[in-house]
Parts: sequence; structure tokens; C-alpha cells
Amino acid sequence: GESVGLHLPTLSVQEGDNSIINCAYSNSASDYFIWYKQESGKGPQFIIDIRSNMDKRQGQRVTVLLNKTVKHLSLQIAATQPGDSAVYFCAENMAGGTSYGKLTFGQGTILTVHP
Amino acid sequence: KAGVTQTPRYLIKTRGQQVTLSCSPISGHRSVSWYQQTPGQGLQFLFEYFSETQRNKGNFPGRFSGRQFSNSRSEMNVSTLELGDSALYLCASSARPGQENTEAFFGQGTRLTVV
Repeated sequence: GESVGLHLPTLSVQEGDNSIINCAYSNSASDYFIWYKQESGKGPQFIIDIRSNMDKRQGQRVTVLLNKTVKHLSLQIAATQPGDSAVYFCAENMAGGTSYGKLTFGQGTILTVHP
Repeated sequence: KAGVTQTPRYLIKTRGQQVTLSCSPISGHRSVSWYQQTPGQGLQFLFEYFSETQRNKGNFPGRFSGRQFSNSRSEMNVSTLELGDSALYLCASSARPGQENTEAFFGQGTRLTVV
């Protein structure tokens, strides 16, 4: 039969704008979260991570916000550039037990930056 | 410092055949995880190896197997290939110091096409 692909959310912004990409995670026991960027033909590239004992972490042009109450994660990209165009994934991990190394990924968001 | 290396980059196989994919982690990293990425299911965890032992396994049939060598290099094998196994297979390595989660770094992936 015909396969149905994931319909990824899309976000289109103008160069120089700020971008916010959202993610709802599934496991309330997850205590480590990562954002990845994946460009066409490449593997996911680490952007920034955050542990559950924090609610905000900043990197270079990126900020991750974690709201454990509603199990929500967001990635903010400041002054978005055309090179930021890619698919962005959030991933969660739960420490301990047999869960090490097992990242559970969100479906991804396609970010398109227009010059 | 070299990144995660996956070989081959592209592979075409016929239904019923088997295939072996290889992953060399970042030097010093002892954890290797494998993921399958398809348009229909997104990124899904296959299994993780640490110090030559499988520590975690995803929800895939027994046709999917893997192993890790003493130098931390890992291979995954898929037997009796099906059309639905066509995917990008990604390997990620991480350092795993102590009990702390650490970021996983991905290779470029192996694009497997089953015809």
C-alpha cells in the first residue's frame, strides 16, 4: 500500500528575524534534552542541550527553554540566517536503568529562512 | 579530532539479502547508538552498545542486530532485507562519563535502498 510520510511542521522566517521552534516531549521521567539540526544529506548536528534541573540555557545565538510542567521544549534562534535553514529535532533521554544512549526524537520542524 | 565515520555512504541491496553497516565512533567514545530514519517514521532508536555490550534495544524485529568491538567500532546487520528497510541508518557516539548523559554526535549516515 501507499506509505504516508510524516507531515512536518514548517516555519518560514525572513533573514534577521528571531525563530522559535517548539517541541512537546512524551516522557515525564526524561531528564536530558537535546536540539539537533539536520541539513539535507547530512546526519543530525548537535546544537544545544539542557538538563531537567534547568529551565533555560543559552548558547551562541540559540536559547533552549524547558517547561517540565507541560512537557514543552523550545529552541530560540536569534538573528536567523539562511544557513540556519534545516530540519530541527528535539530529543529526550532518561538517565539510569537501561535508557542510556536511547534518544527519543520528535518529528522535526522544517525551518526555511528567506534572504 | 575526527568525527563519527559511517561506511558505506550508499548501498543498494535486493530483497532477501543481508547487509552490514559500519560505524567508527569519535576517538575515546565508548557508546555507540544506531538509529533508522525514514520519511514515514522519523528517527527511531535501534540499539546502543557500550563496552562491547548491548545496553538498550529499540522496537525492531530480530532481523536487525549489531555488535561492538574492543576498539568501540560498531557494526549493524540486517538480514532478509525487506523493501521497508530502505532508510538512512545513523550512528551516534558519546563519551558516557560516569552516570551523566552526554551529547551524542552523529555520523553522515548510510543510505540503504532495498529493491
